Amino acid sequence: GAVVSQHPSRVICKSGTSVKIECRSLDFQATTMFWYRQFPKQSLMLMATSNEGSKATYEQGVEKDKFLINHASLTLSTLTVTSAHPEDSSFYICSAKVGGSSNQPQHFGDGTRLSIL
Amino acid sequence: DQQVKQNSPSLSVQEGRISILNCDYTNSMFDYFLWYKKYPAEGPTFLISISSIKDKNEDGRFTVFLNKSAKHLSLHIVPSQPGDSAVYFCAADYQGGSEKLVFGKGTKLTVNP
Repeated sequence: GAVVSQHPSRVICKSGTSVKIECRSLDFQATTMFWYRQFPKQSLMLMATSNEGSKATYEQGVEKDKFLINHASLTLSTLTVTSAHPEDSSFYICSAKVGGSSNQPQHFGDGTRLSIL
Repeated sequence: DQQVKQNSPSLSVQEGRISILNCDYTNSMFDYFLWYKKYPAEGPTFLISISSIKDKNEDGRFTVFLNKSAKHLSLHIVPSQPGDSAVYFCAADYQGGSEKLVFGKGTKLTVNP
């Protein structure tokens, strides 16, 4: 149980392109999803917390106009990297938590490798 | 300021022996701790967790120990297997908080046949 699917797994595109990444909880409802970014040999850095039906909460230093998050249903959150530039190249990972429960693990998708040329 | 620290970037052990991965934290508010395993180009996989009301939690070959006074936890893998080779992340959270996990930088475990 607790499977999180992330799509696409890899994106290579030109600078200036907008890229949408989807995160789905397949067998549970997730009122909260999280978006992380990981640089090589670094830890996972939380970018934003996505709450179903409300605006996402962004971490300090993360541009909300650059990284658009939509959590339209209990099983789907999307991250759109707008007008992507080479410095946005990274590994983006989403996670989801079973709704309404504390002391439960976050379950992660397999990540999206974004490469901006 | 790094609230969760994994001071060993790598660890190498022989198959069949014990692997011990360590994690220290600074925020005394943390009351829930997790270990994740991560292969390259994949998302982290949840392994085991422990609440601060316990000092030990065991699941098969994996045991997590928590020493609250020392703000230290460790993951023991016995016996270690080559398939355990991965990067292990320690993470922490606190009840009543924002549900955000704070991750350490990870320890790369290599289990040699």
